[in-house]
Amino acid sequence: EVQLVESGGGLVQPGGSLRLSCSASGFTFSSYAMHWVRQAPGKGLEYVSAISSNGGSTYYADSVKGRFTISRDNSKNTLYLQMSSLRAEDTAVYYCVKWWGGYGAYWGQGTLVTVSS
Amino acid sequence: SYVLTQPPSVSVAPGQTARITCGGNNIGSKSVHWYQQKPGQAPVLVVYDDSDRPSGIPERFSGSNSGNTATLTISRVEAGDEADYYCQVWDSSSDHPGWVFGGGTKLTVL
Repeated sequence: EVQLVESGGGLVQPGGSLRLSCSASGFTFSSYAMHWVRQAPGKGLEYVSAISSNGGSTYYADSVKGRFTISRDNSKNTLYLQMSSLRAEDTAVYYCVKWWGGYGAYWGQGTLVTVSS
Repeated sequence: SYVLTQPPSVSVAPGQTARITCGGNNIGSKSVHWYQQKPGQAPVLVVYDDSDRPSGIPERFSGSNSGNTATLTISRVEAGDEADYYCQVWDSSSDHPGWVFGGGTKLTVL
C-alpha cells in the first residue's frame, strides 16, 4: 500500500523558514517523480514544485521560485521542501504527491503551514 | 499562463447525471486529469488522460475532452459523490511550462 506521510508543518513568522518532509513507502520511491501541491484555507489547489526521480531536474512555480528548494533522498525514501522568506500567502496545507506521467497518482494527507506573527 | 475555467458549483439530485466542465484554450489537444476532494481529505485521482479510470474508481465516473472543453461526467450520482472536483493539465505552450489546476467545482447532491 502506498503511503506518503508529510511532517514539519507549523506556525512560523513572516520571513522565517521551515522544512517539510515526506516519508514514502509501499512503492519504489526512486522510480517516481515527486511533487508538492498546496491548498490555502478554503481555496483551490496550487502547484508548488516538482523533482525528477533521480533529483536531477527540479521545477518551481513562479510564486515560490527563489524562496523554496525541493530535494529528495532516495536512500531514505524521503522528499523535502525547504521554505524560506515565508509570507502570509504561503499559508496552506502542503501535499506530497507521487506523480506518474502527467498526473498525481497518490496524495499524502498534507501538513499545515501557517505564516503569521 | 494557461487558464482552466470551472463552474464554482454544480447541483444534482441523487440518481441523476452530473457534468462538470473544464474550459481552456484548445484543451482538446492536452491530457486532462480529474481529482475528487472531500472535506478534510486529500485529493483523489478519479480520471486521468481524459477518460481513463484508476483502479477502484467506479465506472460511474467518466471523462471526455474536445475542442475547448473537457467534461467529467458522474452517472447515477450518490450522496457520497458530494465533493470538490478539480481538473488539471500540463501546459507546455507558455514561456514557463507547468502543471495547471482549475479553480475547482463544488458538487452538491440535493
